[in-house]
Amino acid sequence: GAVVSQHPSWVICKSGTSVKIECRSLDFQATTMFWYRQFPKQSLMLMATSNEGSKATYEQGVEKDKFLINHASLTLSTLTVTSAHPEDSSFYICSARLLGQGTTNEKLFFGSGTQLSVL
Amino acid sequence: ELKVEQNPLFLSMQEGKNYTIYCNYSTTSDRLYWYRQDPGKSLESLFVLLSNGAVKQEGRLMASLDTKARLSTLHITAAVHDLSATYFCAVDDYKLSFGAGTTVTVRA
Repeated sequence: GAVVSQHPSWVICKSGTSVKIECRSLDFQATTMFWYRQFPKQSLMLMATSNEGSKATYEQGVEKDKFLINHASLTLSTLTVTSAHPEDSSFYICSARLLGQGTTNEKLFFGSGTQLSVL
Repeated sequence: ELKVEQNPLFLSMQEGKNYTIYCNYSTTSDRLYWYRQDPGKSLESLFVLLSNGAVKQEGRLMASLDTKARLSTLHITAAVHDLSATYFCAVDDYKLSFGAGTTVTVRA
């Protein structure tokens, strides 16, 4: 089946540095990818929708200048957390939408997640 | 704004008994997903429900969708320890909106 690869799986960084997280669709082209964050024992919150070749659409309350999203190709989206602070520590998960023949064949695949810890 | 309400939030199950998790949502979408998440892991897809009246079963889990009532249920039959995890429903209105999750613990 289709696979979405996300890395790194975990990263520890110092406050003030930037961290890049990659999300790749390995055997399909994903025109749309989604980025979520999840705090411990909480649900997933959509941060932004990443569209290949265009600007990402951010959810209300998400700082676009802090969470930079680039979707330069049909198989790769990146999330860069700029000037990370301890409150950015979270589990980040990407997902990619696979379009099939008709909407009933659309499927969503999730990456394995990235645990970010900012010291 | 789409709202997805999942209950209960915590469920302590006794092995061998049956339980149900409920997912209510506020949109007219007819696409609903159920996921399982183990601690520290990403999401594992359980079911995709794409139409009113859809019912899917896999092992001890069965999910159903009533789009008129805007309700989906995840039924667990004869719970076993391996089912301990957090279960999420998510409604697809082009983008996914997740319920709060139900943390399931199965005890002997």
